[in-house]
Amino acid sequence: AQKITQTQPGMFVQEKEAVTLDCTYDTSDPSYGLFWYKQPSSGEMIFLIYQGSYDQQNATEGRYSLNFQKARKSANLVISASQLGDSAMYFCAMREGPANAGKSTFGDGTTLTVKP
Amino acid sequence: EAQVTQNPRYLITVTGKKLTVTCSQNMNHEYMSWYRQDPGLGLRQIYYSMNVEVTDKGDVPEGYKVSRKEKRNFPLILESPSPNQTSLYFCASKGLAGGRAYEQYFGPGTRLTVT
Repeated sequence: AQKITQTQPGMFVQEKEAVTLDCTYDTSDPSYGLFWYKQPSSGEMIFLIYQGSYDQQNATEGRYSLNFQKARKSANLVISASQLGDSAMYFCAMREGPANAGKSTFGDGTTLTVKP
Repeated sequence: EAQVTQNPRYLITVTGKKLTVTCSQNMNHEYMSWYRQDPGLGLRQIYYSMNVEVTDKGDVPEGYKVSRKEKRNFPLILESPSPNQTSLYFCASKGLAGGRAYEQYFGPGTRLTVT
């Protein structure tokens, strides 16, 4: 069965510094996608970044990058130059199957607080 | 505007009274999914559908039903709600082809309370 583990319930970072949020996963499917979402206190789910299991390079989207280490089954999110608006809950997720159209699994999340 | 809509946004009901939460998307997406989120936890998938008339169980399907008769709609049915189904529910959709087919679009959420 697929599983996502986020071991940091809460993290603090100083404004303008970089922060890494950890995520490890487990799956027996060779085809999968890894995702990070942000959930601010208002509750909506905001897509941040995607990494495919066959992608050779780490994904980047603006200030977000995904440090994908396939052999270690880790998919850590790096946020550079943190901003106060980055304070939120962050979820790592995985979806299995071709076209990422199979079952989805989410981690329990990491609450990030950015300090001024 | 591309969006996923859910109705109602808030619902308080009593144990055993059947209810339906509707979900509709206007992006012609094949894949749709329902999740529940409980305090302090991530989203857990209830059911998903890869296309019309094709549905599969997620991790927590017990007590829920879904149907996919039209591509744009994916209602979630609680035949006999119980208090342990009190939760925040999200519907989501995504396409299966195209440059950003991996991106899943979420609805705003439905907060359900069963007393």
